[in-house]
Amino acid sequence: DQQVKQNSPSLSVQEGRISILNCDYTNSMFDYFLWYKKYPAEGPTFLISISSIKDKNEDGRFTVFLNKSAKHLSLHIVPSQPGDSAVYFCAASVNNDMRFGAGTRLTVKP
Amino acid sequence: EAGVAQSPRYKIIEKRQSVAFWCNPISGHATLYWYQQILGQGPKLLIQFQNNGVVDDSQLPKDRFSAERLKGVDSTLKIQPAKLEDSAVYLCASSLGHPIYGYTFGSGTRLTVV
Repeated sequence: DQQVKQNSPSLSVQEGRISILNCDYTNSMFDYFLWYKKYPAEGPTFLISISSIKDKNEDGRFTVFLNKSAKHLSLHIVPSQPGDSAVYFCAASVNNDMRFGAGTRLTVKP
Repeated sequence: EAGVAQSPRYKIIEKRQSVAFWCNPISGHATLYWYQQILGQGPKLLIQFQNNGVVDDSQLPKDRFSAERLKGVDSTLKIQPAKLEDSAVYLCASSLGHPIYGYTFGSGTRLTVV
């Protein structure tokens, strides 16, 4: 059951521009949403999270937006840097049961 | 703070053989998870421990997979016998318990079953 979907397998942006990664979910009971970043041969690294009672959370260059009515989550990276090139996983949690999307590979070109 | 340690990093076995993976979580993290990540997919939860008790093992194929967490610290995941479709990266993660803080993952064990 794919309760969390990332429909874009890849995204390429120019250094300095905005990267927008998208995620959709089906379970309205999810109460926490997270983004993880993964480099090759490493495990995912927690990046940023948001509670379902909020619609925006910002941490430096990273901002997560939540649209509950559309069951949609997005991660904005501004400005994008070459070191941001990685696979980004969206995740959603209810009762400590965390489900992950399939990931989007972001490439930031210098 | 030391991260989540996993071993081995890589393992190649023949189908029907057995294999075991080891995980040492971050000190003080009561909750430990084992995830399976098949190429091109997101991590899928296999089992969740709270201290040394199982919280959720609903997605663990119990006919061939088993896991334990001795004394609420280290954990092992075993597959016996392995099938070709078990080829994946097995990730261990630990957390303080509240999802808002996310999980800390180890580097994983890449298993290839031939």
